[in-house]
Amino acid sequence: DTGVSQDPRHKITKRGQNVTFRCDPISEHNRLYWYRQTLGQGPEFLTYFQNEAQLEKSRLLSDRFSAERPKGSFSTLEIQRTEQGDSAMYLCASSFNEGYEQYFGPGTRLTVT
Amino acid sequence: GQQLNQSPQSMFIQEGEDVSMNCTSSSIFNTWLWYKQDPGEGPVLLIALYKAGELTSNGRLTAQFGITRKDSFLNISASIPSDVGIYFCAGPYSGAGSYQLTFGKGTKLSVIP
Repeated sequence: DTGVSQDPRHKITKRGQNVTFRCDPISEHNRLYWYRQTLGQGPEFLTYFQNEAQLEKSRLLSDRFSAERPKGSFSTLEIQRTEQGDSAMYLCASSFNEGYEQYFGPGTRLTVT
Repeated sequence: GQQLNQSPQSMFIQEGEDVSMNCTSSSIFNTWLWYKQDPGEGPVLLIALYKAGELTSNGRLTAQFGITRKDSFLNISASIPSDVGIYFCAGPYSGAGSYQLTFGKGTKLSVIP
């Protein structure tokens, strides 16, 4: 399967714990995006990378959130000191350098208890 | 900020019927994307539209880029049970050089066999 992959698919954590998610984009894609989706809503943009450079960050990305893409391939999204409001589906997408067509992974469902 | 309004919010149709849904915005979009999301999965790109007035098909799906550039429409012909899911429209945020996508809240489609 050469699509976008995400790991883990599900994560249950206690409030206050740190969690880290991984995304592996489609191999030829330079751009990688993170979105968050809550029930009944469309995905909301968090941040995006072009190669290893983080070029945009949403105001939704509080200082407890950090994303990296160290070698311009896979990316990680870390949430520190999780809160119940962080419970959501975290989606990763990737795209070619040109154009707006983004291809999504299956998501990581985070539940904070 | 930019908002995309999708209607209807949900619809129940009989298998074999045609479906129409739309997406409107108060802002001009230069690209419209339509995605389908199954429960617990990431959105899957169905159709991308890049030119006002453009009509694009993908199998039984047809999407149109509105002439005003403030709306788009998605039609599904001869619906089948696997068409069940949530359909999202999306477009790139208008900020200069931005590649983040803004999503609507989705149209939930249920197909009655």
